[in-house]
Amino acid sequence: GNSVTQMEGPVTLSEEAFLTINCTYTATGYPSLFWYVQYPGEGLQLLLKATKADDKGSNKGFEATYRKETTSFHLEKGSVQVSDSAVYFCALGGTYKYIFGTGTRLKVLA
Amino acid sequence: SQTIHQWPATLVQPVGSPLSLECTVEGTSNPNLYWYRQAAGRGLQLLFYSVGIGQISSEVPQNLSASRPQDRQFILSSKKLLLSDSGFYLCAWTYGDGLNEKLFFGSGTQLSVL
Repeated sequence: GNSVTQMEGPVTLSEEAFLTINCTYTATGYPSLFWYVQYPGEGLQLLLKATKADDKGSNKGFEATYRKETTSFHLEKGSVQVSDSAVYFCALGGTYKYIFGTGTRLKVLA
Repeated sequence: SQTIHQWPATLVQPVGSPLSLECTVEGTSNPNLYWYRQAAGRGLQLLFYSVGIGQISSEVPQNLSASRPQDRQFILSSKKLLLSDSGFYLCAWTYGDGLNEKLFFGSGTQLSVL
């Protein structure tokens, strides 16, 4: 079945550091891929998505590229801010079912 | 615009008591609706999804049930709560078709079973 594996956290970075959160997937067919962000005590918010191979999703300085050859969708940001501290979820979806990774907690220190 | 409402935000219930969590979507018709659970330190687990009134698909056998009495209303229930039912429950709905489809979440309910 479909599955998503993302790197375990927590990830602790200093402000303005480069961020990478790894995500790999296993899927039949060609699902869309997503990154969601969850701030404390809140639901998940869609951060970005990509719908086909080599697509790059981007939003708020974050970006991720749908890599079919490596079955990956790594999240990157060139310069993180304290306000980026949250839990990030990688997900794949399509045809009613969305499968999420276990989440990676990011903590950015001033 | 479309919005999703979920309540209550927090709930503390004794073991063996019943549960009813409600979710409603506004500004759209015939949405696909979902219930997820997020246990402490774990990812999201899909519990139920619904593609229409009265149509419920269960992903994981458990102590919970779901119902969709109206097009934009999705209810999560239990007759007798267990300690293991504690967690953060999220309602969600999908917007758009095919490659344009996106999944949006409500603000969640933190359930503590004591």
